[in-house]
Amino acid sequence: EAGVAQSPRYKIIEKRQSVAFWCNPISGHATLYWYQQILGQGPKLLIQFQNNGVVDDSQLPKDRFSAERLKGVDSTLKIQPAKLEDSAVYLCASSLGPGTNTYEQYFGPGTRLTVT
Amino acid sequence: DQQVKQNSPSLSVQEGRISILNCDYTNSMFDYFLWYKKYPAEGPTFLISISSIKDKNEDGRFTVFLNKSAKHLSLHIVPSQPGDSAVYFCAASAVRGAQKLVFGQGTRLTINP
Repeated sequence: EAGVAQSPRYKIIEKRQSVAFWCNPISGHATLYWYQQILGQGPKLLIQFQNNGVVDDSQLPKDRFSAERLKGVDSTLKIQPAKLEDSAVYLCASSLGPGTNTYEQYFGPGTRLTVT
Repeated sequence: DQQVKQNSPSLSVQEGRISILNCDYTNSMFDYFLWYKKYPAEGPTFLISISSIKDKNEDGRFTVFLNKSAKHLSLHIVPSQPGDSAVYFCAASAVRGAQKLVFGQGTRLTINP
């Protein structure tokens, strides 16, 4: 079974530029998550999708971050404009979803973003 | 507002001995707990979980203990092996919620030969 795919793996941009990350979840997983992991901290949830609808985006800085999940499969996360404090690893995860009696989330390798 | 805390940033254990990683939580709504393991340049991988209706769950060398009254859980690895060297995250979720996970800061475990 293929895992969660993410691209690019690494990205370096200057502040005020824009950047986009892509995620392809495990086939059949209804729920998709985007996390931000700053060095030395645990992953922090940015946004959660159930199929193509948003379940939780309470910690997403909506003035600069946006995300979409077209057709309930792939997802993109965009930052525009980027700030220095956005330097982090952006992790995508997926899970089977509610009603499946499992809370395990499966993570992709992440995208390391450096903002200079 | 750190709802899940791992107070030890690092832990060093000799190969073959027991590794004990600790985690505390503050939100009494949490009723499902997971441990993840993370190697450099990789995403976290699921290790073991426990529901609040249990106080212990075992899977091979890994055992998780839950003390609900103390809002504390621990992960025991016996015997520790060099491949166990990684960062370990505990995470918590509320069953009645949207299955959102709240992670601790992580503990870097180093197994010395």
